[in-house]
Amino acid sequence: EPEVTQTPSHQVTQMGQEVILRCVPISNHLYFYWYRQILGQKVEFLVSFYNNEISEKSEIFDDQFSVERPDGSNFTLKIRSTKLEDSAMYFCASSERQHNEQFFGPGTRLTVL
Amino acid sequence: AQSVTQLGSHVSVSEGALVLLRCNYSSSVPPYLFWYVQYPNQGLQLLLKYTTGATLVKGINGFEAEFKKSETSFHLTKPSAHMSDAAEYFCAVSGYTSGTYKYIFGTGTRLKVLA
Repeated sequence: EPEVTQTPSHQVTQMGQEVILRCVPISNHLYFYWYRQILGQKVEFLVSFYNNEISEKSEIFDDQFSVERPDGSNFTLKIRSTKLEDSAMYFCASSERQHNEQFFGPGTRLTVL
Repeated sequence: AQSVTQLGSHVSVSEGALVLLRCNYSSSVPPYLFWYVQYPNQGLQLLLKYTTGATLVKGINGFEAEFKKSETSFHLTKPSAHMSDAAEYFCAVSGYTSGTYKYIFGTGTRLKVLA
């Protein structure tokens, strides 16, 4: 069964460093998403991506964040200069159509020291 | 505008008892509704969804939910709780507004199953 994959599973970084979180969405899906979940809190929407551009972003997704689909399979989230409060679980998701259910990856746990 | 409200951030039930997790939504257009489950240290997994048609939808692991338009609710139920049902459950709504689809998650309900 096709699934969304994410790498790495755990990333530890120093404050101020850049990190890139990687995702491989399901191959025939056209819509891609990033979510954040701070430990013990709710799932927060960051950004959605379609046709090689951002279709929607939340207030959390400020200038420190960017997304890219560098090739036909990967979808990345970059945080330029990490802050302590960026420590969270980051989930990638994809869907076939915008209205359909989203399929989630297992997440990347980001720890900023 | 869409919104989702999950009543009760924590719910405890005894093993074998009925599970009822509440979700109310607000949407100006016919919504699509979803329930996801998150087991510890894992991603979100779709339990079930309502799009159109039959208002009672059945999902995986014996869960079901009923779309009640008059009550703007989509509560999740399971007749008999199992220890393995202990997890976080998220309700989500998707609807078309202002030229785009909005997909919004509720704040989640943590289900605890007591032996």
